Amino acid sequence: DIQMTQSPSSLSASIGDRVTITCRASQGIRNDLAWYQQRPGTAPKRLIYAASTLQSGVPSRFSGGGSGTEFTLTISSLQPEDFTTYYCLQHNRYPWTFGQGTRVDIK
Amino acid sequence: EVELVESGGGLVPPGGSLRLSCAASGFTFSSFTMAWVRQTPGKGLEWVAAITDRGRDTHYADSVLGRFTISRDNSKGTVYLRLNSLRAEDTALYYCAKETWIHDFDSWGQGALVTVSS
Repeated sequence: DIQMTQSPSSLSASIGDRVTITCRASQGIRNDLAWYQQRPGTAPKRLIYAASTLQSGVPSRFSGGGSGTEFTLTISSLQPEDFTTYYCLQHNRYPWTFGQGTRVDIK
Repeated sequence: EVELVESGGGLVPPGGSLRLSCAASGFTFSSFTMAWVRQTPGKGLEWVAAITDRGRDTHYADSVLGRFTISRDNSKGTVYLRLNSLRAEDTALYYCAKETWIHDFDSWGQGALVTVSS
């Protein structure tokens, strides 16, 4: 199985900060990676697909990068609604696997 | 608008069985692979199973292989997950999800809670 190591597991930041979350795959997955945001009590919401393509309707402060084994999700300027949990998903080889999640808290 | 509505969750004793259903609308159901993803309370996401558009191929996580069965009825726009030989560690919120053409997920249901406990 492909392991997805997501870091950090949590971070504290202030409104307006730039933050970056990383996912590393245990083997190459080309660009078969998506990023999801999950707010408490709701289903995950896709932010980025194909590693770097912004989902329609998602603010441009979110961006994704990387290919192969290392991927990043960057929020250029944190807004109040961004303080929640983020997951990466690899869909290159079954079983699809998620990162462990990153919780973004207000400092 | 895509809508996925799960049902069938509940409390079941260890060793018991349950069938989850997910009713889909707002898209051509028979053209897409569908999947189940679960989330344990306070923890992360785990992909469970997937079934291709016509139901020809299925895939399972090792943790449920041989105990869970995914199926679909394209005439009803519904995907199912049969859960047998349930264990405490299967306690989770089970989401139905629609795969995209590139095989990630763009739509999710609200989830069905399965609690395995005596």
